[in-house]
Amino acid sequence: NAGVTQTPKFQVLKTGQSMTLQCAQDMNHEYMSWYRQDPGMGLRLIHYSVGAGITDQGEVPNGYNVSRSTTEDFPLRLLSAAPSQTSVYFCASSPGLAGDTQYFGPGTRLTVL
Amino acid sequence: SQQGEEDPQALSIQEGENATMNCSYKTSINNLQWYRQNSGRGLVHLILIRSNEREKHSGRLRVTLDTSKKSSSLLITASRAADTASYFCAIDNYGQNFVFGPGTRLSVLP
Repeated sequence: NAGVTQTPKFQVLKTGQSMTLQCAQDMNHEYMSWYRQDPGMGLRLIHYSVGAGITDQGEVPNGYNVSRSTTEDFPLRLLSAAPSQTSVYFCASSPGLAGDTQYFGPGTRLTVL
Repeated sequence: SQQGEEDPQALSIQEGENATMNCSYKTSINNLQWYRQNSGRGLVHLILIRSNEREKHSGRLRVTLDTSKKSSSLLITASRAADTASYFCAIDNYGQNFVFGPGTRLSVLP
């Protein structure tokens, strides 16, 4: 199993550009989530999904969209990038609800100029 | 906020010593988990302890949970240079997501 994969690993955007961060898992997990990690802070939840077709907002959803058309994929879209979105983004999945062990991807380091 | 707060923020020890880090939280929890993050990598799950458990072990790791004090501790015994990482507690408060603390940065010096 590849586990949780994320692409790209690094990305530089200009303010106002849009892009999609990809996340995929091959463990047939129902629960998937996106976090951002900023220096000196823990992970903050952006959006999560409890199954295909179901998504919900986390702590910091503004400026981001998600969709979950399949169990395997959970892309994160930045609508109009802003410097405040410079961060490291992690995707995670777990078999059930958040109370289960979460498996994290390697992260995407995003810089918005 | 239900955010876990790790203490200390940073810890530096010699190889072979024990490392203890703590996590405090504010309301009732379903379970609490500890994760490790090596520099530039994703988080890796270490231990999950449920609210009705008081202590769990995994290899050189020992986690305790005191629900009356709303706190948990992670002990790493006989530390190694490879244990150098950031350690996070994550709170499951019966919701549909976790709340992570800001982490403890552990440096193990050879």
